[in-house]
Amino acid sequence: GAGVSQSPSNKVTEKGKDVELRCDPISGHTALYWYRQRLGQGLEFLIYFQGNSAPDKSGLPSDRFSAERTGESVSTLTIQRTQQEDSAVYLCASSLEFPRAFEAFFGQGTRLTVV
Amino acid sequence: GDSVTQMEGPVTLSEEAFLTINCTYTATGYPSLFWYVQYPGEGLQLLLKATKADDKGSNKGFEATYRKETTSFHLEKGSVQVSDSAVYFCALRGNAGNMLTFGGGTRLMVKP
Repeated sequence: GAGVSQSPSNKVTEKGKDVELRCDPISGHTALYWYRQRLGQGLEFLIYFQGNSAPDKSGLPSDRFSAERTGESVSTLTIQRTQQEDSAVYLCASSLEFPRAFEAFFGQGTRLTVV
Repeated sequence: GDSVTQMEGPVTLSEEAFLTINCTYTATGYPSLFWYVQYPGEGLQLLLKATKADDKGSNKGFEATYRKETTSFHLEKGSVQVSDSAVYFCALRGNAGNMLTFGGGTRLMVKP
């Protein structure tokens, strides 16, 4: 597709369940980012990928969170044993590799609600 | 590490008022600077950018100038409209790599 695609757009899960969030970046974009946005809050950095490797995982809130990327394309963010504080919109963005281009393009996000 | 600080909102203005949203940053070297906008119910989209000192980014009547000496990238618009109501995020991309760092966002509300 022409833009960054995230699925599902909405996810309601029970506390303690695992969830997987998917991001399809723009074709050819080697950099991929995950952010979390709680209601009414700013963007919280989670992780970014350069190709299939993640140089910076410092933003992952706990060991319940993990992410992977394959084929320099699709990325999956997995949250295990979800907690209510995980409820947020999870945003994915992609960009060409620095310094070829500078801006990142965002998907519409996945709204996760843990009940 | 890199960081971005922007004024807290909400900022409430009347239509046709002048807008300034302050943004300052901390980074090594010469980062690229951005303003993103998030309209109600929508995703983030790039509003404008500047990639080197003294560059002015502009779009939709908004402007921001990359000031190296004050490490700032303040967003301005001469006459806001109700349709400008949104959350605005200042961001930087460090020149050491691909990290994209955001400020906390500023909510703008424009009243008719």
